[in-house]
Amino acid sequence: DVKVTQSSRYLVKRTGEKVFLECVQDMDHENMFWYRQDPGLGLRLIYFSYDVKMKEKGDIPEGYSVSREKKERFSLILESASTNQTSMYLCASVFPNTGELFFGEGSRLTVL
Amino acid sequence: QQPVQSPQAVILREGEDAVINCSSSKALYSVHWYRQKHGEAPVFLMILLKGGEQKGHEKISASFNEKKQQSSLYLTASQLSYSGTYFCGTESTGAGNNRKLIWGLGTSLAVNP
Repeated sequence: DVKVTQSSRYLVKRTGEKVFLECVQDMDHENMFWYRQDPGLGLRLIYFSYDVKMKEKGDIPEGYSVSREKKERFSLILESASTNQTSMYLCASVFPNTGELFFGEGSRLTVL
Repeated sequence: QQPVQSPQAVILREGEDAVINCSSSKALYSVHWYRQKHGEAPVFLMILLKGGEQKGHEKISASFNEKKQQSSLYLTASQLSYSGTYFCGTESTGAGNNRKLIWGLGTSLAVNP
C-alpha cells in the first residue's frame, strides 16, 4: 500500500515562529504537492514539486517555502507563522500511471 | 476557474440514490473524484478522461460530458459508509503527470439509517 506520512497531526505555534511540516512517501513518486484546506475555500495548492530540488508555485505560495532534498520527502516551511495560516495542511503524491493522488492524514496547524 | 459542485449538501436515507454534479467554465481534459470522511485524508474514487466515458466503482459511478464541461457522480443504493464530503478536481490541459488540479468546494453527503 502507498503511504504518505505527515510528521505532525496537530501543531500549535505562536505568531512569528518558524514552522516545518514534513511529508514522506514510500512509492518513489516524482510529483508531490502541498495543499491547505479551509472551510468554504476547499483545497488550494501551495506548492508542488516534480523532482528532487525542483519546485513550482501553486495558487497561494505567499508566506510559504518548500524543500525537496530527497525524492521521498517534501517539506513545507512557514518562515514566520501568522494567524491567517491556521489551517489544515495536506500533502499528496501522485501515481503517474493513473493520476491518482495519495494524501497524507493532514497536519492541523493553529497559530496563536 | 474553480469548478462548481452541486448540491452543496445532501441528506439521504440508507438505500436512496444521489447525483453530485461538477461543472467547469473551462474545457476539461479530466475530472477526478475523491471522498473525504471527517478527520481523514481524501481518498481517490475515480478519474474520467476526455472522451465522454463512464466509470464504475462498486455502486458509485460517474460520467463525463466534455462538451458540457461537466461530470456527474452517481451513488446508488447508498450505504452508511458513503457519508463524507465529495470533491471533484479538474484538469484543463493534458499536462501529463503534473496533475495540478483545480478543486470544487465539495458536496457534503450524509447517509442516515
